[in-house]
Amino acid sequence: QSVLTQPPSMSAAPGQKVTISCSGGTSTVKNNYVSWYQQLPGTTPKLLIYDNNKRPSGIPDRFSGSKSGTSATLGITGLQPGDEADYYCGTWDSSVNSGVFGGGTKLTV
Amino acid sequence: EVQLVESGGGLVQPGGSLRLSCAASGFTFRNYDMHWVRQATGKGLEWVSAIDTGGDTYYPGSVKGRFTISRDNAKNSLYLQMNSLRAGDTAVYYCARPGSRFDILSGHFYFDSWGQGIRVTVSS
Repeated sequence: QSVLTQPPSMSAAPGQKVTISCSGGTSTVKNNYVSWYQQLPGTTPKLLIYDNNKRPSGIPDRFSGSKSGTSATLGITGLQPGDEADYYCGTWDSSVNSGVFGGGTKLTV
Repeated sequence: EVQLVESGGGLVQPGGSLRLSCAASGFTFRNYDMHWVRQATGKGLEWVSAIDTGGDTYYPGSVKGRFTISRDNAKNSLYLQMNSLRAGDTAVYYCARPGSRFDILSGHFYFDSWGQGIRVTVSS
């Protein structure tokens, strides 16, 4: 069982918007920065969002991140078939000085 | 261009040992903390260990006491010595570089560069 809780799966139609949640606690999400990753089938994870809401260069603004208290959210607008992937949140756990990831969300478009 | 290339994986019996290596290039290796992350087939990402630029190390409870992370800045290489291996350690192991040079305890936890991964199978 992961320290960070994500919905196992979500689905939405092309062109629609989806929000993926990542729930943690004070020592994880609230007191540290959250990152999000996209993993297409058979590939390595790709950084989408870092420091809660920042996008690396090359990541389209269809992807956004936010955080409030002990929960973080990844938003994807204008869904495309190519967005079909597994999405993971990650952060640091200050109580045990360890990195932690969510269990992942499989997005179907 | 940042490159991380893992090696040393394979099949090992339960209770056995394996040493993974990660050859880094394209950046000043000694200036970055480095991490190992693993992923069992069909499962999610699991953080395995980290070593900061000063050599301090960090582990989750699941591997503490069995795994040892180390680095050789002269060789631009990261290592993971895995002892007392269990079936549950079977996974693809990734070497990962943080996207920032903030102190590891600063809470800036994110990876902008990943190796291609190396498979470790623990089975009799």
